[in-house]
Amino acid sequence: EPEVTQTPSHQVTQMGQEVILRCVPISNHLYFYWYRQILGQKVEFLVSFYNNEISEKSEIFDDQFSVERPDGSNFTLKIRSTKLEDSAMYFCATRDSYPNQPQHFGDGTRLSIL
Amino acid sequence: KNEVEQSPQNLTAQEGEFITINCSYSVGISALHWLQQHPGGGIVSLFMLSSGKKKHGRLIATINIQEKHSSLHITASHPRDSAVYICAVSNYGGSQGNLIFGKGTKLSVKP
Repeated sequence: EPEVTQTPSHQVTQMGQEVILRCVPISNHLYFYWYRQILGQKVEFLVSFYNNEISEKSEIFDDQFSVERPDGSNFTLKIRSTKLEDSAMYFCATRDSYPNQPQHFGDGTRLSIL
Repeated sequence: KNEVEQSPQNLTAQEGEFITINCSYSVGISALHWLQQHPGGGIVSLFMLSSGKKKHGRLIATINIQEKHSSLHITASHPRDSAVYICAVSNYGGSQGNLIFGKGTKLSVKP
């Protein structure tokens, strides 16, 4: 069965550094999402992306965050200047364009900011 | 803004027991999702439903749209069912279907 692939599985970064989290969507999927889960808390929506642009973003997704699909396959989340509170598990999810289809999740990237 | 509440937060069961996890939400939705999160952190979609009932193996999900309530049932539970079960809702109308999550129910099934 096709999978959503996320890399790296674990990223350790110094505060203030930039990080890029990568996601390879399932090939025919057109809707892409990033979610995050701070340790011990619920999963939270960050941003959705369709047709090469952001379609919706949460208040968490401030100017420090950006997303793009640089090469038509990878879908990336960039955090420009990381803060301690950015430490979390980041999940990419994708779905195809047909109505009422579930989202498929990657295994997540655990981001640790020191 | 939709609020998603799950109960119980934690659940311990003996192998073979019938398990029910409940979910309620505050605003009308287009779909409700049940997800499973294993200790490693990965999330797997179990069900997506907008009405009635769905069954997959020993798992059954039901939804009552009028009462804004859903239940996930596990029959003949097994230790491998131990995981966090998460209810999430989506509204595909005005948005692109982003999910709003509950806090999850941590299930532990003892042999």
